[in-house]
Amino acid sequence: DAGITQSPRHKVTETGTPVTLRCHQTENHRYMYWYRQDPGHGLRLIHYSYGVKDTDKGEVSDGYSVSRSKTEDFLLTLESATSSQTSVYFCAIGTDAGSEKLFFGSGTQLSVL
Amino acid sequence: DAKTTQPPSMDCAEGRAANLPCNHSTISGNEYVYWYRQIHSQGPQYIIHGLKNNETNEMASLIITEDRKSSTLILPHATLRDTAVYYCIANNAGNMLTFGGGTRLMVKP
Repeated sequence: DAGITQSPRHKVTETGTPVTLRCHQTENHRYMYWYRQDPGHGLRLIHYSYGVKDTDKGEVSDGYSVSRSKTEDFLLTLESATSSQTSVYFCAIGTDAGSEKLFFGSGTQLSVL
Repeated sequence: DAKTTQPPSMDCAEGRAANLPCNHSTISGNEYVYWYRQIHSQGPQYIIHGLKNNETNEMASLIITEDRKSSTLILPHATLRDTAVYYCIANNAGNMLTFGGGTRLMVKP
């Protein structure tokens, strides 16, 4: 399995608080992605990164920011969490843009109360 | 990206071949067909992809029709561990993958 770790695995927080999710890889892959998964919506791309300090928005980026200061780490931040951001968040890594072989982490279950 | 259509659910007997169809009638010439699966509460897992020719790997076979408007993912000997949601995606290499609803495959003993 690809070396990709998400932390925390579960988090409960209150509306209005900042939250940061971390994705860590040991594969030295260039591309990293954050998806969210909700019932009835499937997986939706939030942000992605194509290198250190190079990021771009995905389909559902409002309310989220990302940072990538090192190849191995991609952080997803909710500046002020809302209940609509309750979801399962998946990080993925890939060698090329749109690579067919995306490797996904185990997910972070986030609950915003 | 071309839209794909998959049945929402299918059943398969353990040990039998599971044939999962996907319709992508608007696929363009440079779009690949990708298959991923997601076992309950885990991250999606890449299975196979193809452009025109049929493909086979250790997990599955992919049969693409000559007109490329549809494809079938074949799991030759389904096991209970193959119970999952299977996603068919038509995508240009270089574009971000977009996951639809998929097919929920239930393998039954």
